[in-house]
Amino acid sequence: DTAVSQTPKYLVTQMGNDKSIKCEQNLGHDTMYWYKQDSKKFLKIMFSYNNKELIINETVPNRFSPKSPDKAHLNLHINSLELGDSAVYFCASSPDSYEQYFGPGTRLTVT
Amino acid sequence: AQRVTQPEKLLSVFKGAPVELKCNYSYSGSPELFWYVQYSRQRLQLLLRHISRESIKGFTADLNKGETSFHLKKPFAQEEDSAMYYCALSSSGSRLTFGEGTQLTVNP
Repeated sequence: DTAVSQTPKYLVTQMGNDKSIKCEQNLGHDTMYWYKQDSKKFLKIMFSYNNKELIINETVPNRFSPKSPDKAHLNLHINSLELGDSAVYFCASSPDSYEQYFGPGTRLTVT
Repeated sequence: AQRVTQPEKLLSVFKGAPVELKCNYSYSGSPELFWYVQYSRQRLQLLLRHISRESIKGFTADLNKGETSFHLKKPFAQEEDSAMYYCALSSSGSRLTFGEGTQLTVNP
């Protein structure tokens, strides 16, 4: 049973396109997150939702818009993709605001 | 503001040698500290958290509040320990702050 899943696993697209990444967790956790891992493997939080409400919104370009249709899902939509958006995006969920469970990552390549 | 520093981006040891991955933090309150590990092309997974004080895969980490450190140690490194290791700090609330990570390579 996959706890936190993301689709797609790989995404290759051209600059200027709009794309979405989906995340689902079946752990019953209230809190979900999006992280960006850059080419130097630095991991930075982007957003966090608790029970469908946005609670963390880091300094992220407004081309990035998270959406949480229910507490088991947190999707990430990116408009007007740029070369610098190329990274691995990790979704995570948490039961208690401390330990986090990560998805397998989505490797986004913008050409 | 909370901050986590891992001074070594790369660490290379031989199999059977002791290994220590350094982590320092700054936080004014009482932190929760964690070590996460990412094996090649896999998801991050929790390795250990300081409050549980357990040893996972032979790794231990002790929180030293005086030195604001949470170094990860293993007495005898194995090749399968090669991975990216992240130290992380959680304050009250929902935020985990990660260090920049240390890539550990254990050579045969």
